[in-house]
Amino acid sequence: DAGVIQSPRHEVTEMGQEVTLRCKPISGHNSLFWYRQTMMRGLELLIYFNNNVPIDDSGMPEDRFSAKMPNASFSTLKIQPSEPRDSAVYFCASSLSAGGLYEQYFGPGTRLTVT
Amino acid sequence: AQSVTQLGSHVSVSEGALVLLRCNYSSSVPPYLFWYVQYPNQGLQLLLKYTSAATLVKGINGFEAEFKKSETSFHLTKPSAHMSDAAEYFCAVREFLEKLVFGKGMKLTVNP
Repeated sequence: DAGVIQSPRHEVTEMGQEVTLRCKPISGHNSLFWYRQTMMRGLELLIYFNNNVPIDDSGMPEDRFSAKMPNASFSTLKIQPSEPRDSAVYFCASSLSAGGLYEQYFGPGTRLTVT
Repeated sequence: AQSVTQLGSHVSVSEGALVLLRCNYSSSVPPYLFWYVQYPNQGLQLLLKYTSAATLVKGINGFEAEFKKSETSFHLTKPSAHMSDAAEYFCAVREFLEKLVFGKGMKLTVNP
């Protein structure tokens, strides 16, 4: 089992550029989560999908952020335009949905630096 | 809304000493509670979870946690710390469905 796969692992971009982060969940999992981790704010849930449908996007900071899940095996998180305050580690996680009984499996993260 | 509190951000213990990481929760419903560990430059992985079965929960790597409803606590312990336990530890509570709310995390340092 390859686990949750994220790409790229590192991204350095200039302010104003579009950034796309990608995630492949574990096969068979039907819940997918995007988190952001910073020193100041800790680990924040940005958005949560179940069966490819967004369930809770209340953590998405602003309209510059968007997330899609076109099918069960792929999701993207896009930032357009990017700003220096978006610099963080972004994690994707997946799980089986059963009312929270099952653990979330985290990917290795994408470290984003916006200069 | 559900929440967890992890007081402090760092704890340091000697190798072989007891590890105690505190977590207090707030929940309007019977909680599901979790401890995750994050090693440097990695994602989080589950240590253990409480989902309303036994109040003393055993996890991986010798860790355990006890759910105490009267104290709204779910503290993580390990009798004897090992150098490999150095990591950041997060307590989390289920808010609804699969959504978790994480604490700020506690960085554990193990001194030789």
